[in-house]
Amino acid sequence: NAGVMQNPRHLVRRRGQEARLRCSPMKGHSHVYWYRQLPEEGLKFMVYLQKENIIDESGMPKERFSAEFPKEGPSILRIQQVVRGDSAAYFCASSPWTDTQYFGPGTRLTVL
Amino acid sequence: GENVEQHPSTLSVQEGDSAVIKCTYSDSASNYFPWYKQELGKRPQLIIDIRSNVGEKKDQRIAVTLNKTAKHFSLHITETQPEDSAVYFCAASSGPINTGNQFYFGTGTSLTVIP
Repeated sequence: NAGVMQNPRHLVRRRGQEARLRCSPMKGHSHVYWYRQLPEEGLKFMVYLQKENIIDESGMPKERFSAEFPKEGPSILRIQQVVRGDSAAYFCASSPWTDTQYFGPGTRLTVL
Repeated sequence: GENVEQHPSTLSVQEGDSAVIKCTYSDSASNYFPWYKQELGKRPQLIIDIRSNVGEKKDQRIAVTLNKTAKHFSLHITETQPEDSAVYFCAASSGPINTGNQFYFGTGTSLTVIP
């Protein structure tokens, strides 16, 4: 049973471009969470999704950021018109019907 | 919302000694408290967790204690080894058991075990 997968592992974008981060949950997991981690800081919750539904997006900036978890395929975190302050590691986590979350390896976004 | 504070931010111990990391939380509705270990450049990995109906849980050299009245929980690592060196994060979560909920993380403790 493969763990949580994320791609790409590293992403470099210039200011104003779009960033798309993908997360494939563990098999059998229907809950996906996205967190952002700035250098030498903790993990900040962004959004919680189930298949085709956004359950809680209270941690996600109102502008430029969006997330989806379609019926088929991975969950996508999309950042439009990236700025330097978006540079961070973005982790997704998945859980089955319990509340234990398992993290993916993260995507390290660098905005030039 | 929930606020989780974690102390200390850095901790150095001699190999073989014990390490203790403490977290406090603000929301009395929180009922699930996981601990994660994150090595440099790696993903956070769950090492132990505890639910609010239990006061203590142990797994080999790692133990977690929970004081619901005081709203604090602690991670105890005994007989530390160099491979225990990492950043440790506590978290708190509320909501019905067996459902998804966001985690509120502490700011992390960087543990260094000196050989």
